[in-house]
Amino acid sequence: EVQLVESGGNLVKPGGSLRLSCAASGFAFSNYAINWVRQAPGKGLEWVSSISSTSAYISYADSVKGRFTISRDNAKSSLYLQMDSLRADDTAVYYCTTGITFDYWGQGTLVTVSS
Amino acid sequence: EIVLTQSPGTLSLSPGERATLSCRASQSLTSTNLAWYQQKPGQAPRLLIYGTSSRATGIPDRFSGSGSGTDFTLTISSLEPEDFAVYYCQQYFASPRTFGQGTKLEI
Repeated sequence: EVQLVESGGNLVKPGGSLRLSCAASGFAFSNYAINWVRQAPGKGLEWVSSISSTSAYISYADSVKGRFTISRDNAKSSLYLQMDSLRADDTAVYYCTTGITFDYWGQGTLVTVSS
Repeated sequence: EIVLTQSPGTLSLSPGERATLSCRASQSLTSTNLAWYQQKPGQAPRLLIYGTSSRATGIPDRFSGSGSGTDFTLTISSLEPEDFAVYYCQQYFASPRTFGQGTKLEI
């Protein structure tokens, strides 16, 4: 069974940093691109970032470019999102999701940016 | 950036009825890189349809997708009580990936 478990969400002040993690199991993690998608409270879905299976290709939404860094450790079947210079509009549930078509999703982790 | 516009914003139907949800792209998706997701309250989204018309694993055949170019449709042939949720389309033809704003399907 495919499982994705996000962690690291918390309350942080504007300008602060946070590192999210996504632990994967039940599939060949190293063979798949992985993505972060977020959802602000009561709002729709927004793609944040993607990383290819070997980390050769990385892309970001304009809204987070220069502030967020995606990475992965295939040996640990884990995905990360380093979030710096956080702003109030980064407040959202952050999901990790697999592949090009976002086949599988974790349950999400809540990031709240507030003073 | 490709903008996806979903209509209607809210669709009120009853179990057993047919639901037709629309997703219009601001430019042509010249390949079939469009997906549909279902999201229930408090849950993560779930992939229903990819490649415009292919059902994801475990998705019942009452769900079907169609379309081409800029106009795409998700059809639920006969609504079951568990189908009432929010539905999103998403294009993976071009970066950035974009989602529609969602259609809420309510009883």
